[in-house]
Amino acid sequence: EAGVAQSPRYKIIEKRQSVAFWCNPISGHATLYWYQQILGQGPKLLIQFQNNGVVDDSQLPKDRFSAERLKGVDSTLKIQPAKLEDSAVYLCASSQGFSGGYEQYFGPGTRLTVT
Amino acid sequence: AQSVAQPEDQVNVAEGNPLTVKCTYSVSGNPYLFWYVQYPNRGLQFLLKYITGDNLVKGSYGFEAEFNKSQTSFHLKKPSALVSDSALYFCAVRDGSQGAQKLVFGQGTRLTINP
Repeated sequence: EAGVAQSPRYKIIEKRQSVAFWCNPISGHATLYWYQQILGQGPKLLIQFQNNGVVDDSQLPKDRFSAERLKGVDSTLKIQPAKLEDSAVYLCASSQGFSGGYEQYFGPGTRLTVT
Repeated sequence: AQSVAQPEDQVNVAEGNPLTVKCTYSVSGNPYLFWYVQYPNRGLQFLLKYITGDNLVKGSYGFEAEFNKSQTSFHLKKPSALVSDSALYFCAVRDGSQGAQKLVFGQGTRLTINP
């Protein structure tokens, strides 16, 4: 079974530029998550999709971050414009369901450096 | 809101000795608890979870964890450590009584197994 795919793996941009990350979840997983992991911290949920609907985006900085999952499969996370504090690893995860004890499966992440 | 504490930033253990990585949690309802491991430049890998039932949960790679409701703890253990267990370990909690509540991660504990 293929895991969660993410691209690119690394990205370096200057502040005020825009960037987009792509994620393809495990086949059949209805729930997709985007996390931000700052160095030395645990992952923090940015947004959670159930199929193509948003379940939780309470911690997404909506003035600069946006995400979509148009066909209920793959997803794109965008930052525009980027700030220095956005430097982090962006992790995508998927699970079979969104309630209860479903474990999440994580992709390798995209390491973003904003200079 | 739920929270997780991993009181030790770093744990060092000699190969062959037992290891414990500590985790305490706070939720208002029923806790769903998870342990994940992160190797360098990799995403998080699921190790084990507690949803209900037996307080001792067994997971991947010989790891186990004990749920203690009175102490609100979910410590990760392994009887005999391997050098390959060296990695970053994250405890996470979700409030199981509130539907799609997000998964909250601790800050992580770096485990180093010395040969």
